[in-house]
Amino acid sequence: DTEVTQTPKHLVMGMTNKKSLKCEQHMGHRAMYWYKQKAKKPPELMFVYSYEKLSINESVPSRFSPECPNSSLLNLHLHALQPEDSALYLCASSQVAWGENTGELFFGEGSRLTVL
Amino acid sequence: QQPVQSPQAVILREGEDAVINCSSSKALYSVHWYRQKHGEAPVFLMILLKGGEQKGHEKISASFNEKKQQSSLYLTASQLSYSGTYFCGTERTYGQNFVFGPGTRLSVLP
Repeated sequence: DTEVTQTPKHLVMGMTNKKSLKCEQHMGHRAMYWYKQKAKKPPELMFVYSYEKLSINESVPSRFSPECPNSSLLNLHLHALQPEDSALYLCASSQVAWGENTGELFFGEGSRLTVL
Repeated sequence: QQPVQSPQAVILREGEDAVINCSSSKALYSVHWYRQKHGEAPVFLMILLKGGEQKGHEKISASFNEKKQQSSLYLTASQLSYSGTYFCGTERTYGQNFVFGPGTRLSVLP
């Protein structure tokens, strides 16, 4: 299984809602990532978990809260988001741990989030 | 620091060749290339480490000029399936500072 699976594929939420994005990989990868991608822009790193521990938080607002329940799962909890947070949220995993030579990133197809 | 990519966009006819460049003002440890088709996830193409190594598979290859801190992606005899946005990603030090470039939009027409 060489896939990274993300759910839901689409999400519409109001500014007062609480929702979560989920990501799963069964490749035994040591690091998992959340990226945010706006239209016609490159993916921007938000968080990195390495060996289930938060390694990188790229100054992301606290309305985004990551969680790594185990080595295969990664969640992104969303609360009190703003319309400018509307974007494609990509999950990725890599075989190597954070801090080692950045290897191939395996991306999921993303969750397209719209904040009203 | 984000690398620079050129051109921003390119339109080709099937069978034509293209070169996409990625450069940095800082010394690089590695350059990575990804392709993202519209509405899909980015897909890894290849990694080049400092040392001027050239890599490739099928009709897509790349080089890394360490002196110029520049990598070039070569697409030979382009196919319709090559259409998409090509992102380079650069790593300035081992395992650190990985960042994607702004992307080059490639359209291959029949």
